Amino acid sequence: GAVVSQHPSRVICKSGTSVKIECRSLDFQATTMFWYRQFPKQSLMLMATSNEGSKATYEQGVEKDKFLINHASLTLSTLTVTSAHPEDSSFYICSAMRQGTYEQYFGPGTRLTVT
Amino acid sequence: GIQVEQSPPDLILQEGANSTLRCNFSDSVNNLQWFHQNPWGQLINLFYIPSGTKQNGRLSATTVATERYSLLYISSSQTTDSGVYFCAVDTGGGNKLTFGTGTQLKVEL
Repeated sequence: GAVVSQHPSRVICKSGTSVKIECRSLDFQATTMFWYRQFPKQSLMLMATSNEGSKATYEQGVEKDKFLINHASLTLSTLTVTSAHPEDSSFYICSAMRQGTYEQYFGPGTRLTVT
Repeated sequence: GIQVEQSPPDLILQEGANSTLRCNFSDSVNNLQWFHQNPWGQLINLFYIPSGTKQNGRLSATTVATERYSLLYISSSQTTDSGVYFCAVDTGGGNKLTFGTGTQLKVEL
């Protein structure tokens, strides 16, 4: 149990376009999901916390108008990178916290390349 | 914010060898997890261990919360153990995890 999926796994887009990444908890409900960003050879950095039915909370330095987060159900959160630029190229990873626990389970990640 | 340092940063082992990875953190924590990130980027949960000792097969972990460190033991290492090992801690602020610096492990035949 505790499987989290992400879609797409890899995306290439042109500068100025928007990209949506989906994160789903497949076999459990998650009132809270998290979005992370990872640059090559570096650790994961938390971008935002996504709570079902309410606005996301963003970490310091993360532009909320650029990284739009929606958590419409107990199994789905989406991250939209708006007006993407080459510096947004990165590995984006989501996690979901199973209801009633504090343990986070991670999706396989989405590799975004902006040309 | 909390600082989470892991050591060693890099480690090369011969298959069959044992190793200990360390995670030091600078403040009290409510939650500590160990993950293995495989070469494709997937993070795999190893342990949820805010305190005490747990074992799962060839892996075991110990967290001494009062002294602010955790250890991950890998015994009889295999090539499939290669990847990056992260510890991550939550200081109680909304269940948000702060990840450590990671240990890159390579197990050779």
